[in-house]
Amino acid sequence: DAKTTQPTSMDCAEGRAANLPCNHSTISGNEYVYWYRQIHSQGPQYIIHGLKNNETNEMASLIITEDRKSSTLILPHATLRDTAVYYCIVRGYNAGNNRKLIWGLGTSLAVNP
Amino acid sequence: DGGITQSPKYLFRKEGQNVTLSCEQNLNHDAMYWYRQDPGQGLRLIYYSQIVNDFQKGDIAEGYSVSREKKESFPLTVTSAQKNPTAFYLCASMRGAGNSYEQYFGPGTRLTVT
Repeated sequence: DAKTTQPTSMDCAEGRAANLPCNHSTISGNEYVYWYRQIHSQGPQYIIHGLKNNETNEMASLIITEDRKSSTLILPHATLRDTAVYYCIVRGYNAGNNRKLIWGLGTSLAVNP
Repeated sequence: DGGITQSPKYLFRKEGQNVTLSCEQNLNHDAMYWYRQDPGQGLRLIYYSQIVNDFQKGDIAEGYSVSREKKESFPLTVTSAQKNPTAFYLCASMRGAGNSYEQYFGPGTRLTVT
């Protein structure tokens, strides 16, 4: 099963970029990389996803290495409201692979004033 | 506004009682999911449904049951057979079963069984 490795916690100064790494060395060719975040006692919120190319939306940028074994989520200008647990997940192709959707412990990001 | 609603936000039950958690979505999504989250842990898949009147067990289905009689609704029953029912329960939906679709989550129900 594809799974991910993330640092347990990170700190970032408000207004600076937050770069959250994720290792997914066992990812297979048809698996997407997804990022979600979860603010305490709320449901996870989708941030961004990608397959091979770098992606950007209004929330963040996703940089995927050429070998696809790792990725980085970038929050360009972190605010206090970005304090949350960030999950990196890989997801396979067909419906049965939903059973392989493994949520790790994520990275607890603290944005400091 | 489109989204997923879960009710209630907090639920308290006595041990030995069955309890049903509600999940409704108005996103017209085909697939729906139930997850359980314990303190300091990631989400674990309980059940999922890709279409009305069909559902599959996830990784920790024992002690739980679901139904999918309507596209919009996917209630989860926590039965007395579930040994450790106290947890944060999250419902999610997705437009399709493919791997390029993101999941949308509800606000969660925190169940406490004493």
